[in-house]
Amino acid sequence: GAGVSQSPRYKVAKRGQDVALRCDPISGHVSLFWYQQALGQGPEFLTYFQNEAQLDKSGLPSDRFFAERPEGSVSTLKIQRTQQEDSAVYLCASSLIGLAGGEQFFGPGTRLTVL
Amino acid sequence: AQSVTQLDSQVPVFEEAPVELRCNYSSSVSVYLFWYVQYPNQGLQLLLKYLSGSTLVESINGFEAEFNKSQTSFHLRKPSVHISDTAEYFCAVTLNSGGYQKVTFGTGTKLQVIP
Repeated sequence: GAGVSQSPRYKVAKRGQDVALRCDPISGHVSLFWYQQALGQGPEFLTYFQNEAQLDKSGLPSDRFFAERPEGSVSTLKIQRTQQEDSAVYLCASSLIGLAGGEQFFGPGTRLTVL
Repeated sequence: AQSVTQLDSQVPVFEEAPVELRCNYSSSVSVYLFWYVQYPNQGLQLLLKYLSGSTLVESINGFEAEFNKSQTSFHLRKPSVHISDTAEYFCAVTLNSGGYQKVTFGTGTKLQVIP
């Protein structure tokens, strides 16, 4: 079956613009995660959903970052008033269940460049 | 909180030679450990994981990792690498506490297999 998909794959924004990044998880996966991966770094946790509930948003770097998953499937990560430090690859991952030790399936990521 | 250290950012190795990618973690409680691989232009994929039981875990493509609690390590090894193993490898850790737990990734090691 289809894996996790993300769109767009590449996004260039001018500083101050708002962006919206989309994630389509594997069908039936309860858990959904967003990560930020800066150049030369590993993925850094941003937020976690279990179905439509956002259970952990402790990794969101500022109140300019907002994520939603209103129907428990597709998720959108929105960044308002983008800054140059927001440039990174944004990864989405889904998991059948949210228990520790469960495998996360990753999408290809969206590379955001803020000019 | 847990943390992961991958000291080697790049490891060049000749084809058919053995390789070891190092991973050390820090945690005050029991953990689950993972290795993820990212091939060029693809998303991260789970390579292998340690949850419990035998401290030596293997992947289907010849990699193995050994959980060493006393040294807080989970090094990844392969006795003979192939060109197709060229990729970036990420070690990750999560707390062994049941329920949802945040996953912490290392900074990654780029394995370059030289023909």
